[in-house]
Amino acid sequence: DTGVSQDPRHKITKRGQNVTFRCDPISEHNRLYWYRQTLGQGPEFLTYFQNEAQLEKSRLLSDRFSAERPKGSFSTLEIQRTEQGDSAMYLCASSTNDSPQETQYFGPGTRLLVL
Amino acid sequence: GIQVEQSPPDLILQEGANSTLRCNFSDSVNNLQWFHQNPWGQLINLFYIPSGTKQNGRLSATTVATERYSLLYISSSQTTDSGVYFCAVVSGNQFYFGTGTSLTVIP
Repeated sequence: DTGVSQDPRHKITKRGQNVTFRCDPISEHNRLYWYRQTLGQGPEFLTYFQNEAQLEKSRLLSDRFSAERPKGSFSTLEIQRTEQGDSAMYLCASSTNDSPQETQYFGPGTRLLVL
Repeated sequence: GIQVEQSPPDLILQEGANSTLRCNFSDSVNNLQWFHQNPWGQLINLFYIPSGTKQNGRLSATTVATERYSLLYISSSQTTDSGVYFCAVVSGNQFYFGTGTSLTVIP
């Protein structure tokens, strides 16, 4: 069990460019979550997958954001036409509903800076 | 969505001191977790505690679900306890995090 991994760890991009982040959950975890965290705030929920199905999306997730989990394993989060306000840490977490505790395990995050 | 408030927002402790962090939430929940975010940004789950009391070493947590609050106790604090402590509650399939308590433990 190698933990949740995210790639890249850091991304600097110019306003208007598209970016894509990857999350690899703990193997056999069927639940995967994306969050966004800005400085001084707690993580804000963006979206949730159970296996390959996207079951919940926050109103924070504008139409420029899209997430996929095509085979129920890794997930990608794409931001199109980035804006300076998208600068944040993007966190991924996974869990399993086989455990009654549904403990979330977080990855190290991808820090995005939009210039 | 559910409102989650944490207090105090900031806390500075001398090494060896004890502290209590509080989390209030605005609606009934069936899932509450405490997390520690270290200075490098990594979030670590400390407790899953929708009700009752749990202890893990120097840390313990109590949730009184009927009164909509949870407490995290840190005893004999160490410099490695520094960081931000978040509580998070679940409504539907969404996790709602509080704004956190930033703890600094000085030697």
